[in-house]
Amino acid sequence: DSGVTQTPKHLITATGQRVTLRCSPRSGDLSVYWYQQSLDQGLQFLIQYYNGEERAKGNILERFSAQQFPDLHSELNLSSLELGDSALYFCASSVEGTGNSPLHFGNGTRLTVT
Amino acid sequence: GNSVTQMEGPVTLSEEAFLTINCTYTATGYPSLFWYVQYPGEGLQLLLKATKADDKGSNKGFEATYRKETTSFHLEKGSVQVSDSAVYFCALSVVSTGNQFYFGTGTSLTVIP
Repeated sequence: DSGVTQTPKHLITATGQRVTLRCSPRSGDLSVYWYQQSLDQGLQFLIQYYNGEERAKGNILERFSAQQFPDLHSELNLSSLELGDSALYFCASSVEGTGNSPLHFGNGTRLTVT
Repeated sequence: GNSVTQMEGPVTLSEEAFLTINCTYTATGYPSLFWYVQYPGEGLQLLLKATKADDKGSNKGFEATYRKETTSFHLEKGSVQVSDSAVYFCALSVVSTGNQFYFGTGTSLTVIP
């Protein structure tokens, strides 16, 4: 058990809808990262937060947004969903968020857009 | 730039066979190197790491040595078990205010009895 909790485990929704994915980092970790894993594109970095502030942005679409709250949990919001957004979404956390410490991953949320 | 290249799979081995999964990297600065393992239906788990040249990371019978001269971090295990069947990801991290972690595409390993 990595200590990173993601909910829900599965989401099935229709095109055009909006969903929220939630992540609680390991106790003591200040930084949260979001990744998208799909069969054809591997693991894609979306966005990183450190102690409530955005630290780095990757290949995140404008339809997607995220935030990290004062209690350090994070939410990833996906809107105007398209079929191509179907993927596994992982949250990971690390202690200080500079690349000096390893990532610890949750078990992911599997999103299916129909 | 920073990137990781790992050997393509899938790899199929018989139980007790020797495993090598190749990984090479390109990085600016001095990266840390990692191997992660992903079992079906789960997230990536840290398997081992090495933070400087010539360091050897090891865990659960797996080993990898940080080779700066060949920019490699090959994963090895002397005798694989059926329970080692999973996808293995090589990764590097750099200290940065931007993206810090770079992952390979993953190598699927199946071990047959």
